[in-house]
Amino acid sequence: KQEVTQIPAALSVPEGENLVLNCSFTDSAIYNLQWFRQDPGKGLTSLLLIQSSQREQTSGRLNASLDKSSGRSTLYIAASQPGDSATYLCAVRPNYGGATNKLIFGTGTLLAVQP
Amino acid sequence: DGGITQSPKYLFRKEGQNVTLSCEQNLNHDAMYWYRQDPGQGLRLIYYSQIVNDFQKGDIAEGYSVSREKKESFPLTVTSAQKNPTAFYLCASSISPYYSPLHFGNGTRLTVT
Repeated sequence: KQEVTQIPAALSVPEGENLVLNCSFTDSAIYNLQWFRQDPGKGLTSLLLIQSSQREQTSGRLNASLDKSSGRSTLYIAASQPGDSATYLCAVRPNYGGATNKLIFGTGTLLAVQP
Repeated sequence: DGGITQSPKYLFRKEGQNVTLSCEQNLNHDAMYWYRQDPGQGLRLIYYSQIVNDFQKGDIAEGYSVSREKKESFPLTVTSAQKNPTAFYLCASSISPYYSPLHFGNGTRLTVT
């Protein structure tokens, strides 16, 4: 059974620092992995989608990497800003002989960027 | 602007009553989903629909029902059979069921007392 873990559950950093958020999954048979951001009381905003054949994706100050064989993904945020404060979630789409409709979500990392 | 609209933002109901949560999208997406979010837990899939007039149960479908009569709309009914209905409900859509990213609405917080 696929399980997704995000450690740490919470992280506080000073403004301007580069940081890495971690996501691990137990089964390497995935179709893709997606990173989301969630602000308090809001829905999820899609940040980056990495297909299983890709190693990384970049968008602005964000860079997501994927190492399928070790069951790990990281989200790198450069030059963090207070506006980056939010909960970051990762989700994998299992590959059971083909893509599935279901995403398996981690419980997220709550990031606070201190001004 | 295209997007997903969930209404209402907050919903309060008495135990034993059915309640319907609205989800409308103007992104022309084929696939739509309902997720439930509880504190300390990852999102869990309730129902999903790949095309109009078709929908499938997710992991926690008991006590819920859906319909997909129009491409743009995917309402969720929380019935009195759902034992713990108080939660944050999120609707999502994607261009295709498998390959494309999910886009979410802003959620409906349901409180049942």
